[in-house]
Amino acid sequence: DAGVIQSPRHEVTEMGQEVTLRCKPISGHNSLFWYRQTMMRGLELLIYFNNNVPIDDSGMPEDRFSAKMPNASFSTLKIQPSEPRDSAVYFCASRLTTGWKGPGELFFGEGSRLTVL
Amino acid sequence: AQKITQTQPGMFVQEKEAVTLDCTYDTSDQSYGLFWYKQPSSGEMIFLIYQGSYDEQNATEGRYSLNFQKARKSANLVISASQLGDSAMYFCAMRLTNTGNQFYFGTGTSLTVIP
Repeated sequence: DAGVIQSPRHEVTEMGQEVTLRCKPISGHNSLFWYRQTMMRGLELLIYFNNNVPIDDSGMPEDRFSAKMPNASFSTLKIQPSEPRDSAVYFCASRLTTGWKGPGELFFGEGSRLTVL
Repeated sequence: AQKITQTQPGMFVQEKEAVTLDCTYDTSDQSYGLFWYKQPSSGEMIFLIYQGSYDEQNATEGRYSLNFQKARKSANLVISASQLGDSAMYFCAMRLTNTGNQFYFGTGTSLTVIP
């Protein structure tokens, strides 16, 4: 079974450039999450979607960050313009909301490691 | 307010021994779920085990078990018969049923298994 697929796996770019990270959730999952992981701040939730609708974007650092989910099988996280402090591993995760029954665990992609020079 | 606390930044265990990774949580909700994830050096996040707040028995998955003490608000992960491949970061997380999709993650514990 295909898991959460992220691309690119690695991205090196220069400050000021636009960066687009892509995610394909597990088929049938109705919630999608974008996390950022750094040594200093750990795992931070940036935004999550439920049924393709953004529900909570309070974790998005600033206006340079934007995320879209045009359909149930695709999401993007865009940083424009990028800055060195954006360097991190960005994870996409999806889950099937199950109500109160069952774990409904998050399934993570392998992450996109972003380096902004 | 921090909802998940992992107080052990790093732990060492001898191969074949058991190890307990601590996790405490903070919530006044009655319905919630607790999760443990493993992150090896390769970077992926792997789901290990889940405990629901209403589950009366401690969850077990192979060599993993969750020592759930509700009154103490602790959900410690026990790994039995440690293997070299268990060396990784381990994250505890909580999801409140009423808030649906919000997962709260701890800061993680780095486990090193010594041969």
